[in-house]
Amino acid sequence: AQTVTQSQPEMSVQEAETVTLSCTYDTSENNYYLFWYKQPPSRQMILVIRQEAYKQQNATENRFSVNFQKAAKSFSLKISDSQLGDTAMYFCAFMKPSNAGGTSYGKLTFGQGTILTVHP
Amino acid sequence: ETGVTQSPTHLIKTRGQQVTLRCSSQSGHNTVSWYQQALGQGPQFIFQYYREEENGRGNFPPRFSGLQFPNYSSELNVNALELDDSALYLCASSSDRIPGNTIYFGEGSWLTVV
Repeated sequence: AQTVTQSQPEMSVQEAETVTLSCTYDTSENNYYLFWYKQPPSRQMILVIRQEAYKQQNATENRFSVNFQKAAKSFSLKISDSQLGDTAMYFCAFMKPSNAGGTSYGKLTFGQGTILTVHP
Repeated sequence: ETGVTQSPTHLIKTRGQQVTLRCSSQSGHNTVSWYQQALGQGPQFIFQYYREEENGRGNFPPRFSGLQFPNYSSELNVNALELDDSALYLCASSSDRIPGNTIYFGEGSWLTVV
């Protein structure tokens, strides 16, 4: 079974500064997907960024980037130029690739979450 | 906003009662997954429906059951409600037809068991 660990229950950052959220995971799979989701107080789960394990290049989406270290099973999220709207709970999640005869797509294993507060 | 809609938004039930939660998936998505998120915790996978059949289940008892309809919408049913069932229930839709397709979440249904 896969496990995802987020060791930082809470983080805070000043507006316009950079913050990094940590995530480690455990799996015996060689190919898989990793995600960072944002959940604001509205509770809508919003995809921030996605990384495919077979891709060596780290994913980036505007102000969001990841540091994917496959051997270390580490997947951290860096938020640059933090904005007040980034205040939310952030979840790291793992997903196996589709299995033969069916689909594993959509079966996510989440970490415990990190509450990020951006201060003005 | 995603195209995933859930109903009801909030509801209160008494211990021992039964509840049905509903989810309409994103257009073109044939797979629906359900998650339970207790307050202050990460979502836990309950089960997934694909082609109208259950396609994997997490560590939840049989009193959690579901359905998927031909239009890919889905229901989550919970019988004999317990106080610990109080949580946000999230529905997520995806598709196996489009490699790398994004998983979309609904806004959730808040269930309080008293």
